[in-house]
Amino acid sequence: EDKVVQSPLSLVVHEGDTVTLNCSYEVTNFRSLLWYKQEKKAPTFLFMLTSSGIEKKSGRLSSILDKKELFSILNITATQTGDSAVYLCNNQGGKLIFGQGTELSVKP
Amino acid sequence: GAVVSQHPSWVICKSGTSVKIECRSLDFQATTMFWYRQFPKQSLMLMATSNEGSKATYEQGVEKDKFLINHASLTLSTLTVTSAHPEDSSFYICSARIPGRVSYEQYFGPGTRLTVT
Repeated sequence: EDKVVQSPLSLVVHEGDTVTLNCSYEVTNFRSLLWYKQEKKAPTFLFMLTSSGIEKKSGRLSSILDKKELFSILNITATQTGDSAVYLCNNQGGKLIFGQGTELSVKP
Repeated sequence: GAVVSQHPSWVICKSGTSVKIECRSLDFQATTMFWYRQFPKQSLMLMATSNEGSKATYEQGVEKDKFLINHASLTLSTLTVTSAHPEDSSFYICSARIPGRVSYEQYFGPGTRLTVT
């Protein structure tokens, strides 16, 4: 059965901290893995990863995929209160599956 | 570009009534749209894949007679929750991909919060 597991489920940090969010997956016909940020409403796209070992960066956020070990990480450096959100990992394989999400709370 | 809208943004209805939610791609044509349900503190659960001009594909455990999906045009898909019950109260989100692109990125609508009393 295809599945996507994120950890931790929740995380509380202070501004300026660096966080690493994890996403492991077991899926058939892997195509890509995507990260989204969800605040109050609908998710917004962060990264799409298809190849192992190639880091994607956008400002303080970066992400990398390991297709051998079947996981991805999302790093956020120098966190800000505006980074508080639920971060979702989405695997686009035979099925569209989202992980449970990691709820990040950044305290001032 | 790639904006998806949903209407209504929230709705309250009585048990036993039906509710229709619209999902529109505003600046692109979407041959495929997706419908998700999200309960509080939980992740997005794919309910069905809506294909323009053909029947929707429902995920296991989702009752197609209860959640009617119609994708009659390239910019509009509708989800009708029939004979709604309080347990159907949830956040319903649609998404669409831009056809022809290699990217699998989905563009999400703002969601519809349904409360059944």
